[in-house]
Amino acid sequence: GEDVEQSLFLSVREGDSSVINCTYTDSSSTYLYWYKQEPGAGLQLLTYIFSNMDMKQDQRLTVLLNKKDKHLSLRIADTQTGDSAIYFCAESMRTGGGNKLTFGTGTQLKVEL
Amino acid sequence: ETGVTQTPRHLVMGMTNKKSLKCEQHLGHNAMYWYKQSAKKPLELMFVYNFKEQTENNSVPSRFSPECPNSSHLFLHLHTLQPEDSALYLCASSQEATMGNQPQHFGDGTRLSIL
Repeated sequence: GEDVEQSLFLSVREGDSSVINCTYTDSSSTYLYWYKQEPGAGLQLLTYIFSNMDMKQDQRLTVLLNKKDKHLSLRIADTQTGDSAIYFCAESMRTGGGNKLTFGTGTQLKVEL
Repeated sequence: ETGVTQTPRHLVMGMTNKKSLKCEQHLGHNAMYWYKQSAKKPLELMFVYNFKEQTENNSVPSRFSPECPNSSHLFLHLHTLQPEDSALYLCASSQEATMGNQPQHFGDGTRLSIL
């Protein structure tokens, strides 16, 4: 089945690292994505990782993928107040109609001074 | 600026009204999507168009009617909606819809309120 789970809230202090976790159930996922949603806006693509990789780094962002445990994480180094937002993970799976994204419910990241 | 523009940003309508949501992408993509985002629920895929052909209708009620006249424009026609249809409607586009490594780019959404 298709189910992507995330914890609802995460609070960190400015300058600390944030780690947002996601678990998924479909082992046939091809790509996994992280999106950021700020208030009043749509989803902004942050990064994505192919399912045969276990790590991807992009500036302050590090994505770790444990395919055996179906666990994905997003680490934000030196978290800033501008990083406060909702973060969604999504898995891409092949379906009869093409590729389909299934999203988690999102993790609200709050960065405190 | 994401390259995907949605209008209007906000819409309030009665249950008997007819209105349309518009989405336009300037990214040269060939696939376009409608999603519904409700509070405390995951994003729900509604419709997918690939090269102007509808490839997915995710059991969406017929009071929602999509239209894709060309690869750059996508509409969602609304009529006789219900209060539970109040949500943020997001449009997205990607290079095409069959490959998993084609990220979807989202607009800022239309906040729809049904009275």
